[in-house]
Amino acid sequence: GQQVMQIPQYQHVQEGEDFTTYCNSSTTLSNIQWYKQRPGGHPVFLIQLVKSGEVKKQKRLTFQFGEAKKNSSLHITATQTTDVGTYFCAALGGGAQKLVFGQGTRLTINP
Amino acid sequence: ETGVTQSPTHLIKTRGQQVTLRCSSQSGHNTVSWYQQALGQGPQFIFQYYREEENGRGNFPPRFSGLQFPNYSSELNVNALELDDSALYLCASRQGQVRNYGYTFGSGTRLTVV
Repeated sequence: GQQVMQIPQYQHVQEGEDFTTYCNSSTTLSNIQWYKQRPGGHPVFLIQLVKSGEVKKQKRLTFQFGEAKKNSSLHITATQTTDVGTYFCAALGGGAQKLVFGQGTRLTINP
Repeated sequence: ETGVTQSPTHLIKTRGQQVTLRCSSQSGHNTVSWYQQALGQGPQFIFQYYREEENGRGNFPPRFSGLQFPNYSSELNVNALELDDSALYLCASRQGQVRNYGYTFGSGTRLTVV
């Protein structure tokens, strides 16, 4: 079945540093979604990317979808303590449009 | 508009027992999915309902079953509970089958099997 691999598993940064998480698939993806889960919370939808090479920005967050639609990245500029959490990429797979989640990247920040 | 609500928030069950978890989808959303999230892992797809019909299932045994009601609320039933069933169970809803929207997740039910 479809799988998405996400790296790194953990990332610890100083407040103000940048952060990037990567998502890779061996197959071409129709689209990719990104979610954030705060500690003790539930996943919250951030964005969906559909087009090859697409780049979207949300304030300090930049999302990219690869040209081959097999990889994606999330970059946070100048992290803040409110960015703490686990970031998941998820791809729609199968006829049921189920979401296949990556393992997530847990971001912790030293204030 | 209200979001996705799940009940109960926490539950402790004994191995071999049965459990029913409930979910009210966001207003206007007719597609409901259930996910199991073990500690430190990403959510794993259990199954999805669209207009009261199951239209997709993940790699979970038949003792995991569900229902969707006419008002689009949903239940997840797990029979013969095992210790490995301990996890956060998440319900997620979205509008129809359109691929343009993300899922709205509920806060989840934390199930502990002892």
